[in-house]
Amino acid sequence: DVQLTQSPSTLSAFVGDRVTITCRASQSVSSWLAWYQQKPGKAPNLLIYKASSLESGVPSRFSGSGSGTEFTLTISSLQPDDFATYYCHQYNTYPLTFGGGTKVEIK
Amino acid sequence: EGQLVQSGAEVKKPGESLKISCKGSGYSFATHWIGWVRQMPGKGLEWMAIIYPGDSDTRYSPSFQGQVTISADKSISTAYLQWRSLKASDTAMYYCARRVDGSGYSDLWGQGTMVTVSS
Repeated sequence: DVQLTQSPSTLSAFVGDRVTITCRASQSVSSWLAWYQQKPGKAPNLLIYKASSLESGVPSRFSGSGSGTEFTLTISSLQPDDFATYYCHQYNTYPLTFGGGTKVEIK
Repeated sequence: EGQLVQSGAEVKKPGESLKISCKGSGYSFATHWIGWVRQMPGKGLEWMAIIYPGDSDTRYSPSFQGQVTISADKSISTAYLQWRSLKASDTAMYYCARRVDGSGYSDLWGQGTMVTVSS
């Protein structure tokens, strides 16, 4: 299985901060990586696919980069609605896998 | 755009069987893979399995192979996740999700079904 390691596991930040979350894969997943946002009690919501493509309707403050084994999700200016948990997800190889999640908290 | 609507919360005893459902609408259900994802209380997302409703082709995570069975009835646009004998450790939220045509990520998710297994 492809293991996805996210860091940090928890992040405290102020509104307006630039935030970066890292996802490292145990083997190359090419660019077949997505990022999801999940709020408590809700289903995950797709933000980024194919490592850097912004899903329709997602604010442009979200961006993704990377390929191979190292990926990042960046929020350019954190907004109150962005406090949530973020997951990376590889879909290059079965079984598909998720990272352990990064919880973004208010500082 | 589409919608996935899952069956309601379940409370079961250990050893009981269970089948939960995920009904698709507003898109071609038969031609999009449907996956299942587990989220145990306070924990992260775990990919379980996926099915292609058109021909019932399936893929399972080794972690869930033999523990659950997925199926689909394309005539009623519904996918299923079932257990023969539940354990307390099956207590979790279960999500179904549609895979984007020609890709592997999911763009449409059900609202989730909470399964509680307790004696």
